[in-house]
Amino acid sequence: QKEVEQDPGPLSVPEGAIVSLNCTYSNSAFQYFMWYRQYSRKGPELLMYTYSSGNKEDGRFTAQVDKSSKYISLFIRDSQPSDSATYLCAMTYGNNFNKFYFGSGTKLNVKP
Amino acid sequence: DAGITQSPRYKITETGRQVTLMCHQTWSHSYMFWYRQDLGHGLRLIYYSAAADITDKGEVPDGYVVSRSKTENFPLTLESATRSQTSVYFCASSGLGARDEKLFFGSGTQLSVL
Repeated sequence: QKEVEQDPGPLSVPEGAIVSLNCTYSNSAFQYFMWYRQYSRKGPELLMYTYSSGNKEDGRFTAQVDKSSKYISLFIRDSQPSDSATYLCAMTYGNNFNKFYFGSGTKLNVKP
Repeated sequence: DAGITQSPRYKITETGRQVTLMCHQTWSHSYMFWYRQDLGHGLRLIYYSAAADITDKGEVPDGYVVSRSKTENFPLTLESATRSQTSVYFCASSGLGARDEKLFFGSGTQLSVL
Protein backbone atom coordinates (compact mmCIF):
# COMPACT_ATOMS: atom_id res chain seq x y z
CA GLN A 1 0.00 0.00 0.00
CA LYS A 2 1.29 3.43 -0.93
CA GLU A 3 1.70 6.00 1.81
CA VAL A 4 -0.36 8.52 -0.17
CA GLU A 5 -3.14 7.67 -2.61
CA GLN A 6 -4.53 10.07 -5.18
CA ASP A 7 -6.94 9.44 -8.01
CA PRO A 8 -5.05 10.17 -11.25
CA GLY A 9 -8.14 11.32 -13.13
CA PRO A 10 -8.38 12.85 -15.60
CA LEU A 11 -11.08 15.05 -14.18
CA SER A 12 -12.97 17.15 -16.70
CA VAL A 13 -15.30 19.95 -15.55
CA PRO A 14 -17.01 22.95 -17.18
CA GLU A 15 -15.75 26.43 -16.48
CA GLY A 16 -17.23 27.85 -13.28
CA ALA A 17 -17.66 24.47 -11.59
CA ILE A 18 -16.45 23.68 -8.09
CA VAL A 19 -13.64 21.18 -8.21
CA SER A 20 -12.80 18.78 -5.41
CA LEU A 21 -9.44 17.02 -5.41
CA ASN A 22 -8.56 14.50 -2.73
CA CYS A 23 -5.79 12.42 -1.23
CA THR A 24 -5.85 9.74 1.41
CA TYR A 25 -2.88 8.67 3.46
CA SER A 26 -1.94 5.89 5.83
CA ASN A 27 0.60 7.44 8.21
CA SER A 28 -1.09 9.18 11.11
CA ALA A 29 2.17 11.00 11.91
CA PHE A 30 1.82 13.33 8.92
CA GLN A 31 1.41 16.91 10.08
CA TYR A 32 2.35 19.11 7.14
CA PHE A 33 0.26 19.01 4.01
CA MET A 34 0.84 20.66 0.67
CA TRP A 35 -0.91 20.99 -2.64
CA TYR A 36 1.04 21.66 -5.81
CA ARG A 37 -0.11 22.69 -9.24
CA GLN A 38 1.97 21.49 -12.16
CA TYR A 39 1.45 22.76 -15.67
CA SER A 40 2.69 20.68 -18.56
CA ARG A 41 6.49 20.81 -18.86
CA LYS A 42 6.80 22.95 -15.74
CA GLY A 43 7.92 22.37 -12.16
CA PRO A 44 5.39 21.82 -9.36
CA GLU A 45 4.27 25.13 -7.89
CA LEU A 46 3.32 25.27 -4.22
CA LEU A 47 -0.34 26.24 -4.03
CA MET A 48 -1.44 25.59 -0.47
CA TYR A 49 0.29 24.63 2.75
CA THR A 50 -1.44 23.48 5.91
CA TYR A 51 -0.14 22.45 9.27
CA SER A 52 -2.19 19.84 11.14
CA SER A 53 -5.96 19.79 10.81
CA GLY A 54 -8.40 22.39 9.63
CA ASN A 55 -9.13 24.55 6.63
CA LYS A 56 -7.11 27.16 4.85
CA GLU A 57 -8.45 29.50 2.23
CA ASP A 58 -6.61 31.51 -0.39
CA GLY A 59 -8.74 33.20 -3.01
CA ARG A 60 -10.61 30.55 -4.97
CA PHE A 61 -8.68 27.73 -3.29
CA THR A 62 -9.49 25.97 -0.03
CA ALA A 63 -7.36 23.26 1.51
CA GLN A 64 -8.95 20.97 4.05
CA VAL A 65 -7.29 18.41 6.31
CA ASP A 66 -9.19 15.73 8.22
CA LYS A 67 -6.60 13.89 10.27
CA SER A 68 -9.15 11.60 11.88
CA SER A 69 -10.05 10.22 8.44
CA LYS A 70 -6.52 10.63 7.02
CA TYR A 71 -7.98 12.60 4.17
CA ILE A 72 -7.06 15.92 2.58
CA SER A 73 -8.91 17.92 -0.02
CA LEU A 74 -8.37 20.87 -2.30
CA PHE A 75 -11.42 22.78 -3.47
CA ILE A 76 -11.32 25.16 -6.39
CA ARG A 77 -14.26 27.52 -6.70
CA ASP A 78 -15.29 29.13 -9.98
CA SER A 79 -12.81 27.01 -11.89
CA GLN A 80 -11.11 28.57 -14.92
CA PRO A 81 -9.48 27.06 -18.00
CA SER A 82 -6.19 28.34 -16.57
CA ASP A 83 -6.68 25.92 -13.66
CA SER A 84 -6.17 23.02 -16.09
CA ALA A 85 -3.09 21.28 -14.73
CA THR A 86 -2.01 18.31 -12.69
CA TYR A 87 -2.50 18.71 -8.94
CA LEU A 88 -0.19 16.89 -6.57
CA CYS A 89 -0.65 16.43 -2.87
CA ALA A 90 2.38 16.07 -0.60
CA MET A 91 2.92 15.58 3.08
CA THR A 92 5.54 15.06 5.73
CA TYR A 93 5.97 15.03 9.47
CA GLY A 94 8.10 16.84 12.00
CA ASN A 95 11.81 16.01 12.26
CA ASN A 96 11.60 14.21 8.93
CA PHE A 97 12.80 16.95 6.63
CA ASN A 98 14.42 14.58 4.21
CA LYS A 99 11.26 12.82 3.19
CA PHE A 100 8.19 14.19 1.48
CA TYR A 101 5.46 11.83 0.40
CA PHE A 102 3.66 12.60 -2.84
CA GLY A 103 0.45 11.54 -4.43
CA SER A 104 0.63 10.51 -8.06
CA GLY A 105 -1.25 13.63 -9.17
CA THR A 106 -4.73 14.31 -10.55
CA LYS A 107 -5.00 15.77 -14.01
CA LEU A 108 -7.70 18.45 -14.20
CA ASN A 109 -9.19 19.83 -17.38
CA VAL A 110 -11.49 22.85 -17.13
CA LYS A 111 -13.46 23.27 -20.34
CA PRO A 112 -14.42 26.78 -21.51
CA ASP B 1 15.10 37.14 -8.51
CA ALA B 2 15.23 34.91 -5.45
CA GLY B 3 14.27 31.32 -5.91
CA ILE B 4 15.55 28.03 -7.20
CA THR B 5 16.98 27.75 -10.69
CA GLN B 6 18.00 24.74 -12.71
CA SER B 7 20.16 24.47 -15.79
CA PRO B 8 20.10 23.43 -18.48
CA ARG B 9 16.39 23.42 -19.24
CA TYR B 10 16.82 20.72 -21.90
CA LYS B 11 19.68 18.31 -22.48
CA ILE B 12 20.25 15.60 -25.04
CA THR B 13 23.15 13.25 -24.55
CA GLU B 14 24.36 9.82 -25.55
CA THR B 15 24.65 6.67 -23.50
CA GLY B 16 27.89 6.46 -21.58
CA ARG B 17 28.47 10.18 -21.37
CA GLN B 18 28.77 12.08 -18.14
CA VAL B 19 26.15 14.76 -17.58
CA THR B 20 25.83 17.32 -14.81
CA LEU B 21 22.58 19.08 -13.96
CA MET B 22 22.89 22.28 -11.99
CA CYS B 23 20.72 23.61 -9.20
CA HIS B 24 21.04 26.93 -7.39
CA GLN B 25 18.86 28.40 -4.66
CA THR B 26 18.96 31.85 -3.13
CA TRP B 27 16.90 31.24 0.03
CA SER B 28 19.76 29.72 2.08
CA HIS B 29 17.57 26.67 2.64
CA SER B 30 19.31 23.89 4.50
CA TYR B 31 17.68 21.03 2.65
CA MET B 32 17.99 20.39 -1.05
CA PHE B 33 16.63 17.49 -3.09
CA TRP B 34 16.81 15.91 -6.50
CA TYR B 35 13.75 14.16 -7.88
CA ARG B 36 12.99 12.51 -11.16
CA GLN B 37 9.49 12.45 -12.56
CA ASP B 38 8.37 9.69 -14.87
CA LEU B 39 4.98 8.70 -16.16
CA GLY B 40 3.57 5.97 -13.98
CA HIS B 41 6.10 6.55 -11.21
CA GLY B 42 5.41 10.07 -10.09
CA LEU B 43 8.14 11.93 -8.24
CA ARG B 44 10.97 9.79 -6.93
CA LEU B 45 13.73 11.01 -4.68
CA ILE B 46 17.25 10.48 -6.01
CA TYR B 47 19.41 12.23 -3.40
CA TYR B 48 19.00 14.86 -0.76
CA SER B 49 21.26 17.07 1.29
CA ALA B 50 20.67 18.37 4.80
CA ALA B 51 23.46 20.97 4.64
CA ALA B 52 26.74 21.68 2.90
CA ASP B 53 28.86 18.53 2.74
CA ILE B 54 26.00 16.34 4.01
CA THR B 55 24.25 14.21 1.41
CA ASP B 56 22.32 10.97 1.47
CA LYS B 57 20.61 8.56 -0.87
CA GLY B 58 16.97 8.61 -1.67
CA GLU B 59 14.78 6.04 -3.33
CA VAL B 60 16.58 5.70 -6.70
CA PRO B 61 20.25 6.76 -6.30
CA ASP B 62 21.99 4.24 -8.57
CA GLY B 63 23.94 5.85 -11.40
CA TYR B 64 23.86 9.32 -9.85
CA VAL B 65 26.35 11.34 -7.83
CA VAL B 66 25.77 14.57 -5.91
CA SER B 67 27.91 17.07 -4.09
CA ARG B 68 27.20 20.12 -1.99
CA SER B 69 30.25 22.21 -1.29
CA LYS B 70 28.15 25.37 -0.89
CA THR B 71 24.72 25.74 0.68
CA GLU B 72 23.24 27.30 -2.45
CA ASN B 73 24.39 24.74 -5.03
CA PHE B 74 23.48 21.10 -5.42
CA PRO B 75 24.64 19.61 -8.74
CA LEU B 76 23.53 16.16 -9.88
CA THR B 77 25.90 14.11 -12.04
CA LEU B 78 25.05 11.12 -14.14
CA GLU B 79 28.40 9.37 -14.30
CA SER B 80 27.63 7.24 -17.36
CA ALA B 81 24.22 8.05 -18.73
CA THR B 82 21.83 5.25 -19.64
CA ARG B 83 18.56 5.37 -21.58
CA SER B 84 16.64 4.54 -18.41
CA GLN B 85 17.80 7.89 -17.05
CA THR B 86 15.78 9.73 -19.66
CA SER B 87 13.44 11.72 -17.46
CA VAL B 88 12.50 15.12 -16.13
CA TYR B 89 14.67 16.09 -13.18
CA PHE B 90 13.55 18.51 -10.51
CA CYS B 91 15.64 20.15 -7.88
CA ALA B 92 13.85 21.31 -4.72
CA SER B 93 14.70 23.01 -1.47
CA SER B 94 13.17 23.35 1.97
CA GLY B 95 13.94 25.51 4.98
CA LEU B 96 14.29 24.17 8.46
CA GLY B 97 11.92 25.90 10.80
CA ALA B 98 9.00 25.50 13.07
CA ARG B 99 5.99 24.62 10.92
CA ASP B 100 7.76 25.73 7.79
CA GLU B 101 8.35 22.45 6.06
CA LYS B 102 7.45 23.74 2.63
CA LEU B 103 9.14 22.28 -0.41
CA PHE B 104 9.88 24.49 -3.41
CA PHE B 105 10.73 23.17 -6.84
CA GLY B 106 12.79 24.42 -9.73
CA SER B 107 11.50 24.46 -13.30
CA GLY B 108 13.10 21.15 -14.17
CA THR B 109 15.61 19.74 -16.64
CA GLN B 110 14.28 17.51 -19.38
CA LEU B 111 17.02 14.98 -20.11
CA SER B 112 17.04 12.65 -23.09
CA VAL B 113 19.65 9.91 -23.29
CA LEU B 114 19.97 8.48 -26.81
